[in-house]
Amino acid sequence: DGGITQSPKYLFRKEGQNVTLSCEQNLNHDAMYWYRQDPGQGLRLIYYSQIVNDFQKGDIAEGYSVSREKKESFPLTVTSAQKNPTAFYLCASSLRDINEQYFGPGTRLTVT
Amino acid sequence: KQEVTQIPAALSVPEGENLVLNCSFTDSAIYNLQWFRQDPGKGLTSLLLIQSSQREQTSGRLNASLDKSSGRSTLYIAASQPGDSATYLCAVLIINQAGTALIFGKGTTLSVSS
Repeated sequence: DGGITQSPKYLFRKEGQNVTLSCEQNLNHDAMYWYRQDPGQGLRLIYYSQIVNDFQKGDIAEGYSVSREKKESFPLTVTSAQKNPTAFYLCASSLRDINEQYFGPGTRLTVT
Repeated sequence: KQEVTQIPAALSVPEGENLVLNCSFTDSAIYNLQWFRQDPGKGLTSLLLIQSSQREQTSGRLNASLDKSSGRSTLYIAASQPGDSATYLCAVLIINQAGTALIFGKGTTLSVSS
């Protein structure tokens, strides 16, 4: 059963704590992406990776970090430097960066 | 800077009606355009992808058209059903010196009543 999984579905953290969101795909896609979705704002790109061991900042990378040690995995860490971390986080992948993107189910992060 | 606009932001129709969702973009230099569906609290489901050289794509009751020169795309839904109720997002893929980027509109929230 191929697809993209994100865990957990809901995540609660206290302000000042770092938190890591998981994203795994078994589609054998080279490219992976992290987006943030806020009400009324649409999706905004945080980071993307075209290939293992390589990644680039998106439009809103400040306060976030990523790694791409394996083709299947692209975890996102929300650091304490991110000023407004409460949001819905979506992971996506595509065969190459010019191909159709497929999305995971999302993780809703709440920081209080 | 590429901007994607979807109008209207919300739409309510009775079951069985045919409807059109609109998407416009400011720069015609796009690689492809993708339509997605999003149910509340869920991820995005890809509906249709149109390459820049194509004029339309069809999948079941859905038909998406692309007029690159005028910066417009439409998503036509035939014989709407309550199960079509969701938010529909349009996104254009651009290629620039920094790489590629998928630019999203804010979506049209569709409600189909039975």
